[in-house]
Amino acid sequence: SQQGEEDPQALSIQEGENATMNCSYKTSINNLQWYRQNSGRGLVHLILIRSNEREKHSGRLRVTLDTSKKSSSLLITASRAADTASYFCATDAANSKLTFGKGITLSVRP
Amino acid sequence: KAGVTQTPRYLIKTRGQQVTLSCSPISGHRSVSWYQQTPGQGLQFLFEYFSETQRNKGNFPGRFSGRQFSNSRSEMNVSTLELGDSALYLCASSSTPASSTDTQYFGPGTRLTVL
Repeated sequence: SQQGEEDPQALSIQEGENATMNCSYKTSINNLQWYRQNSGRGLVHLILIRSNEREKHSGRLRVTLDTSKKSSSLLITASRAADTASYFCATDAANSKLTFGKGITLSVRP
Repeated sequence: KAGVTQTPRYLIKTRGQQVTLSCSPISGHRSVSWYQQTPGQGLQFLFEYFSETQRNKGNFPGRFSGRQFSNSRSEMNVSTLELGDSALYLCASSSTPASSTDTQYFGPGTRLTVL
């Protein structure tokens, strides 16, 4: 079963708008990562947030982590058509292997 | 530095055949993880190799196997292919054993179609 579950499954927004994606997980984690995947390609690492951090920024990306609610959110500000992709959160599972959620499909309309 | 490479990029096989996929990690990386990605199940972890030893294994049947060579290149093998094995197979490398503390670098994937 997936450790991380992203929400919503699909998101469609207009260029320039902000996109917010959520990830919930079941067990305690050390860190949480977000990855992006363009259609049919490999995944690209976006950002890592440690369990003792609450918020982290990288360019137009803002990630928050709430360990009490076992959830994280990824905010992409001022979205562009090039942000159209699938987004995955990844966490440690019980035996330390990295486990990915099923992903969120983001469509940014020009 | 060259990225993770996977060969072949596309493969078509028929049921019952076997297939071998190859992954060359980033130079200096000793960990290689394999994932199966399908529309229904998402990204499923297959196994991870670190310094030629299998470190972790996902919940897949014994038809799925892998190995890692002394130069860190890895191969995965699927025997007796089934239609449900059609998927994008991704490998990822990292310098340390895969965990959420380290970035994994993904290859472009091998698209396997089983007819």
